[in-house]
This record gives sequence, structure tokens and C-alpha cells, in this order.
Amino acid sequence: DTGVSQDPRHKITKRGQNVTFRCDPISEHNRLYWYRQTLGQGPEFLTYFQNEAQLEKSRLLSDRFSAERPKGSFSTLEIQRTEQGDSAMYLCATETGTPGFGPGTRLTVT
Amino acid sequence: QKEVEQNSGPLSVPEGAIASLNCTYSDRVSQSFFWYRQYSGKSPELIMSIYSNGDKEDGRFTAQLNKASQYVSLLIRDSQPSDSATYLCAVPRLGGGGADGLTFGKGTHLIIQP
Repeated sequence: DTGVSQDPRHKITKRGQNVTFRCDPISEHNRLYWYRQTLGQGPEFLTYFQNEAQLEKSRLLSDRFSAERPKGSFSTLEIQRTEQGDSAMYLCATETGTPGFGPGTRLTVT
Repeated sequence: QKEVEQNSGPLSVPEGAIASLNCTYSDRVSQSFFWYRQYSGKSPELIMSIYSNGDKEDGRFTAQLNKASQYVSLLIRDSQPSDSATYLCAVPRLGGGGADGLTFGKGTHLIIQP
């Protein structure tokens, strides 16, 4: 158990809708990462935080994606105006030496 | 952009045999290397990390690292059907130990045949 929970576990939405995912580490880890994984691929880095500061955002992310970690504990990832290409598993990870992943949120955009 | 290459498989191995999974990476500055196991529909879980050239053993798993050849492998001895999964190789995204995140390969799908 990595001590990371994610909510929701599954989300089905229609194209053009906004969605928000949440990641909750049980204990306060300084670093928190978001990855995206599509079928047949490894996880791709999206962004990461040290405490509440967002240190880097991947060039893969369009402006429709935004992430926050307001108090250095939980984090949210929002996707605005979803597209079918956003369908993927969104994974949150925190440092326990190396990223320990949460269970992920599977997004399906119809 | 770092690249991590893995044979996607599937790699089919009889139960009880040794499964050998291979990974090559493109840069020379990474100091840490990781193997994750991912069952279908689940998130990846870390099974091995290695930092120095040579072998590192943990139970039935052995990681092998050759930095000069930019090559890391994972051996699974006495393969069990429960080892059937996708195995992901990962290296630090920006070198060093991985505090800035990881770059993953596409994974090798391993099937252990009873």
C-alpha cells in the first residue's frame, strides 16, 4: 500500500465537459506527481509539486489541463473541454524513495 | 527527451523457468533505475530499484545494470502464473535519482504458462 488514494476511480464524461480528479496522500509527502497512461504505453509525466509549488509542467499538457496542490497535501487535476484523446488512466504518485502510485482514475471521454 | 526501450512482447515463459526482461535507455546521466509490475487494470507497483553496476537480488527477482552499455534487465526465477503482468522499466526523467519524476518504457507483457 503506497498510502495514496485517488477519486474518482472511474469517470465517464461527454466530450466538451470539464472533469476534476483528486489525489490524497495519507501522510504528507513533499513531492507529488501526476502521470497519464494510455493503453499499451508506460506512464507519461504530466506535472509535479514540491509542497504547494508546481515545479514543472510537461509540454504534453495543453492549456486545458491545470493542477493544484493548495496546502501541500491533496492535489487536483482539472481537464477543461475534454476531448476523446484525453481518455486515459490518470495516475498520482508520491515520493517514498521513488514514486508510489495511487490506484489511478480511469477517464473515458465519449 | 530520454528514451527507454523495451520489447513489448508478449514474452511467454513456462512455469518454473527464468523470465528475462530487458531495457535500454538513451542517456548516461541517470543514476537510478526501476522496475515496476503492472497487472491489467491496476496501477504500477515498484518491485526493484538498482543504482550500481552489477546484480541486485530480492527473492526471486534479480536486477542487472550495465551503465556502460546503458542496459538494465530483470530476471524472474521460478516463474509463477501470478508473475503474468506488464513489466515497466523506468529511469529518472532529468537524471539523478528521480526526484523530478520518471520516464517509463512501454513495458513488456509477460505471460507465464502453467
